Amino acid sequence: GDSVTQKQGQVTLSEDDFLFINCTYSTTTYPTLFWYVQYPGQGPQLLLKVTTANNKGISRGFEATYDKGTTSFHLQKASVQESDSAVYFCALVERNMGYKLTFGTGTSLLVDP
Amino acid sequence: EAAVTQSPRSKVAVTGGKVTLSCHQTNNHDYMYWYRQDTGHGLRLIHYSYVADSTEKGDIPDGYKASRPSQENFSLILELASLSQTAVYFCASSGTPDAEQFFGPGTRLTVL
Repeated sequence: GDSVTQKQGQVTLSEDDFLFINCTYSTTTYPTLFWYVQYPGQGPQLLLKVTTANNKGISRGFEATYDKGTTSFHLQKASVQESDSAVYFCALVERNMGYKLTFGTGTSLLVDP
Repeated sequence: EAAVTQSPRSKVAVTGGKVTLSCHQTNNHDYMYWYRQDTGHGLRLIHYSYVADSTEKGDIPDGYKASRPSQENFSLILELASLSQTAVYFCASSGTPDAEQFFGPGTRLTVL
């Protein structure tokens, strides 16, 4: 089964709205967790990385917290801008999975000006 | 200067033909990867390599071969292209398997 789940396929917001993108994972150990962002016509690029050592990542106004209890790694931003429009992927790497990066299906964010 | 480059950027191939996608990185990374991206599936790992002259199967290797002739270069080979292999292909590199991966700009492959 899927080890990374993003239930929201598409999110549409207005500028200055609060962003919340859901991500849950299913693994047997404690993985390293990532959020990647993909702008149109480009490859994905790293937004955040969180390990069991630091538990929380913050970058460019985005933040995500590693919650081992609920096995979640939701992405949040207090106030989105039109330039944040992109596809966001949750991903994980786990030793028991051969350290292969496993992606969620992605959430497409559209921010209206 | 882009650290991971891919060629070609787009390709139209015929069913049953051979296709080679190339990737070059200047990151001095040991690990390189090939992914395909399809709508609704995110990115899925096809092959990867952690050292020159050696490749490993990813999650969806069927119908694909890979070649790593040097640390900098990693190729993906479709010996007999099929319609189902129409997708966008991304190459990436990383210094260690749990580190950030740096992606190329992608190759859009259309098999007719």
